[in-house]
Amino acid sequence: DTGVSQDPRHKITKRGQNVTFRCDPISEHNRLYWYRQTLGQGPEFLTYFQNEAQLEKSRLLSDRFSAERPKGSFSTLEIQRTEQGDSAMYLCASSLALGGRANNEQFFGPGTRLTVL
Amino acid sequence: EDQVTQSPEALRLQEGESSSLNCSYTVSGLRGLFWYRQDPGKGPEFLFTLYSAGEEKEKERLKATLTKKESFLHITAPKPEDSATYLCAVRGRSNDMRFGAGTRLTVKP
Repeated sequence: DTGVSQDPRHKITKRGQNVTFRCDPISEHNRLYWYRQTLGQGPEFLTYFQNEAQLEKSRLLSDRFSAERPKGSFSTLEIQRTEQGDSAMYLCASSLALGGRANNEQFFGPGTRLTVL
Repeated sequence: EDQVTQSPEALRLQEGESSSLNCSYTVSGLRGLFWYRQDPGKGPEFLFTLYSAGEEKEKERLKATLTKKESFLHITAPKPEDSATYLCAVRGRSNDMRFGAGTRLTVKP
């Protein structure tokens, strides 16, 4: 399977615990995005990387959230001191940006469903 | 601020009953309008990208069109396997995508 993969697929945690999710993008893609999706809503942008550089962060990304892409390949999203409002599907997507054209399609992984009790 | 509004929120069709889904948008400097299909518990699956008014794209029973203010996803003779949530998104001057809330389509046999 050469698509975007995410791990774990499901995570149940208690309020106040830290959680970390992993995303492996399509191998030749240089851009990687994180989104959050709640029931009945479309995905909301959190942050994106071009190679290993984190270029943009949404104001939705509080200081409890941190994302890394250390070698420009896989990425991790960590949530510290989880709150019940963090319960959502966390989606990763990747794309290949060529030259000045940054309109390239984003391909999504299956998501990690987080439940905070 | 970029905004995307999709209508209707939910649509129920009989198999073979053609219809259209609407995506209205406001964006500064449109750099792409995207349609995705999402099945329950799964990530969105890419369908189409449209870049300029007047552009049309087709895939099997789906056809997407674009004007300066809205996009339509036309579904011709739908089948039960077309049941899903259809998401519309736009990219403006920033590099993220702004999604609508989606249209939940149910096709009854």
